[in-house]
This record gives sequence, structure tokens and C-alpha cells, in this order.
Amino acid sequence: QKEVEQDPGPLSVPEGAIVSLNCTYSNSAFQYFMWYRQYSRKGPELLMYTYSSGNKEDGRFTAQVDKSSKYISLFIRDSQPSDSATYLCAIVNTGGFKTIFGAGTRLFVKA
Amino acid sequence: DAGITQSPRHKVTETGTPVTLRCHQTENHRYMYWYRQDPGHGLRLIHYSYGVKDTDKGEVSDGYSVSRSKTEDFLLTLESATSSQTSVYFCAITTTVPGNTIYFGEGSWLTVV
Repeated sequence: QKEVEQDPGPLSVPEGAIVSLNCTYSNSAFQYFMWYRQYSRKGPELLMYTYSSGNKEDGRFTAQVDKSSKYISLFIRDSQPSDSATYLCAIVNTGGFKTIFGAGTRLFVKA
Repeated sequence: DAGITQSPRHKVTETGTPVTLRCHQTENHRYMYWYRQDPGHGLRLIHYSYGVKDTDKGEVSDGYSVSRSKTEDFLLTLESATSSQTSVYFCAITTTVPGNTIYFGEGSWLTVV
């Protein structure tokens, strides 16, 4: 079993839709959670970071963590064609020395 | 922008030749990493460094070596390139925020023919 599972998609939505991207993880030792966005032929860029259960908002983006279920989500409101990218979740262990990435979900937002 | 520069950005090489990828950072970060990214596998850690001349293996280190003689430079060497090493390689650093947030360079696309 992989330590982080993420559906690779692709996920295709119309402009303006609410997008939900999800990851599950298996080890409760992971305490920090991040979402990265990666445009084609670019490096991943940090989008959201959280270390507690609950929600964290940043503009149109909301990161949600449920540690009891080992489930993390990224919601994108009012999705735009410019949101078309691959989204990777990442989890970091308590000591901060081990980061595991999900395989990434490809998102297409159609105008 | 975490001040990371990778070179070369694109390279085609022949099987059996040595290849060195360079990562240069300008912000004096202690930790540096080399990842490879492949379809179906995501990002996988090759090697990392926690200081000058201090390096350690990641999960896919076979066939790769690294060196860090200066804080700002982290080199990844493929001693004898194979077709299975065709990939995109990302250098990364971590900052001191809680959780050791990783920031990536723009990538180096390597094709071994």
C-alpha cells in the first residue's frame, strides 16, 4: 500500500465549477499537509500548507484535513481555465524530515 | 521564487555516458534535494543533502551519485546513463517554516537514447 494515494484523473470541469481534489494517507505520523500546483513543463509550486485538522482558506482555494480519517482535500471555487494543471498533495512526518508526494491529479477547466 | 536554478534544462545523451545535472541556490538553504518525476510514480526522492559534504540516499538512489562542495551547489551525476533514467529531474530546497516546506526548481528534462 502506498503511503499516499491520489486519483490521477484526469478531471475535466466547466469554468465556474467547484473542484474537489482528494488524497488519503496511511500513517498517522504525518502531521503536515501541503498542496502543490504544477503547470505543464514547470516545477511544482506550493499552493497551500496546513498542519491541523479543519479548513484553511486562501482566496478561491480551501484545504481541508481530517486526521481521524487520514483524508485531505483541496477545493477550488469558481474554477478558471488558468487553474488547469496537475495538483499534488504532500504529507510530511512529525519530525519534518520525510515528505511523501501523491502522484498528482490532472485538472482541466474548460472555458 | 526560492532562488533555485537548474542546468542544463534539457539534455539528450547516449546510453552509457556520464551526465551531471547542476542545482544552484542563492539563499543559503541548508537542505537540498534531487527528485525525479515519472508518469504513474509521481515525485521520488533520489538523494538529499543536509550540508556541505553531507548527503544521503533517497528511495531511488541506484545509478545516481551526488556531491555538495559548496552550500549553493548540489550536483547529481548519472555515472552511466540508462534509458530507465529518462525523466524530468527537479532540484528542491526546504525552508525553515514548520513542516519543512519544499520549493522546487524548474526542472531538467533528460532523455537517454
